[in-house]
Amino acid sequence: EPEVTQTPSHQVTQMGQEVILRCVPISNHLYFYWYRQILGQKVEFLVSFYNNEISEKSEIFDDQFSVERPDGSNFTLKIRSTKLEDSAMYFCASSPDRGSQETQYFGPGTRLLVL
Amino acid sequence: DAKTTQPTSMDCAEGRAANLPCNHSTISGNEYVYWYRQIHSQGPQYIIHGLKNNETNEMASLIITEDRKSSTLILPHATLRDTAVYYCIVRTSGSRLTFGEGTQLTVNP
Repeated sequence: EPEVTQTPSHQVTQMGQEVILRCVPISNHLYFYWYRQILGQKVEFLVSFYNNEISEKSEIFDDQFSVERPDGSNFTLKIRSTKLEDSAMYFCASSPDRGSQETQYFGPGTRLLVL
Repeated sequence: DAKTTQPTSMDCAEGRAANLPCNHSTISGNEYVYWYRQIHSQGPQYIIHGLKNNETNEMASLIITEDRKSSTLILPHATLRDTAVYYCIVRTSGSRLTFGEGTQLTVNP
């Protein structure tokens, strides 16, 4: 069964460093998403991406964040200058299309720890 | 998206049916009810979704009341591996999923 994959599974970085989190969505899916979950808190939406453009973003997704689909398979989340409060699980998701009946499938996540 | 209300926690005996309720009294006509679960800190796992009719798949059944103001997720024969946080999400927007606190289901031996 096709699944969303994410790398790395764990990332430790120093405050102020740039990190890139990578995702391979399910092939033939058109919409891609990033969510995050700070330890002990809810899963929060960050951004959605379609046709090489940001479709929607939350107030969390500020100028420190960017997303890209550099090739036909990868979808990346870049945090330019990490802060302590960026420590969280980051989940990538994809869906076949955008309608409210289109299911989003999540990857296993990347645990980011900023020291 | 409509707000949902779920119990904070529930217990179920292994092998018995687990019935997880969700209230969504402000749901509107074009909003779908989705259920996901999250085991530890793994990625949320899709379970099932529906609009008006009851739905069943290999994982669970979804019963939606006629007025659509509440629903119940049924795991027919719960196993220890079904211990997880279960999220009921009402969704109209084509984009984001808005997760609440969910219900911590604990399946006991």
